[in-house]
Amino acid sequence: GEDVEQSLFLSVREGDSSVINCTYTDSSSTYLYWYKQEPGAGLQLLTYIFSNMDMKQDQRLTVLLNKKDKHLSLRIADTQTGDSAIYFCAERRGRIYNQGGKLIFGQGTELSVKP
Amino acid sequence: DTEVTQTPKHLVMGMTNKKSLKCEQHMGHRAMYWYKQKAKKPPELMFVYSYEKLSINESVPSRFSPECPNSSLLNLHLHALQPEDSALYLCASSHITGTYNEQFFGPGTRLTVL
Repeated sequence: GEDVEQSLFLSVREGDSSVINCTYTDSSSTYLYWYKQEPGAGLQLLTYIFSNMDMKQDQRLTVLLNKKDKHLSLRIADTQTGDSAIYFCAERRGRIYNQGGKLIFGQGTELSVKP
Repeated sequence: DTEVTQTPKHLVMGMTNKKSLKCEQHMGHRAMYWYKQKAKKPPELMFVYSYEKLSINESVPSRFSPECPNSSLLNLHLHALQPEDSALYLCASSHITGTYNEQFFGPGTRLTVL
């Protein structure tokens, strides 16, 4: 995905916290999303954050947004082996009237959780 | 019903075959999308339909032909594909109006072109 960057790999121990980082370039982006993809499956929407928010918490997931630095992070508390997957951040570029918006994806971070 | 379904799950075809991928949703979404995804890469947008009309074509070769027969169905017709077209094809849908417009993805069709 052009202009959205993520580190490719992250390895953690079960029970630790995982932090997946993402940087984007379009300051006009309105919504930013985190998707999870398990092997052989489609993309599952995990959470999203509106660009005027700094933080959003949803159970074990915490999203932090630093709009000044165009930096987005996803923290997974008490990481489990079932959290092993590829995690994509995505930005929605503005609001295209009548077109539902266009998502720009990062390259994806492969999270490996070791028991 | 809060899911996007896709059929078939797997498809193997020769370069001279004609086949179709199908996608269905019953969430009342009026935007539907086709993405192509290579292994361990992000999805690449191919087409967007808004209110059953093609609104975005990301310069996709004409051997891929989308069709949106009604607000719940989206097809992708395939003809004369190349081996490099082998990939996971994902369908997604979303609202157009409203606040969040998050896209919901189907499980995908794994396509192999021989």
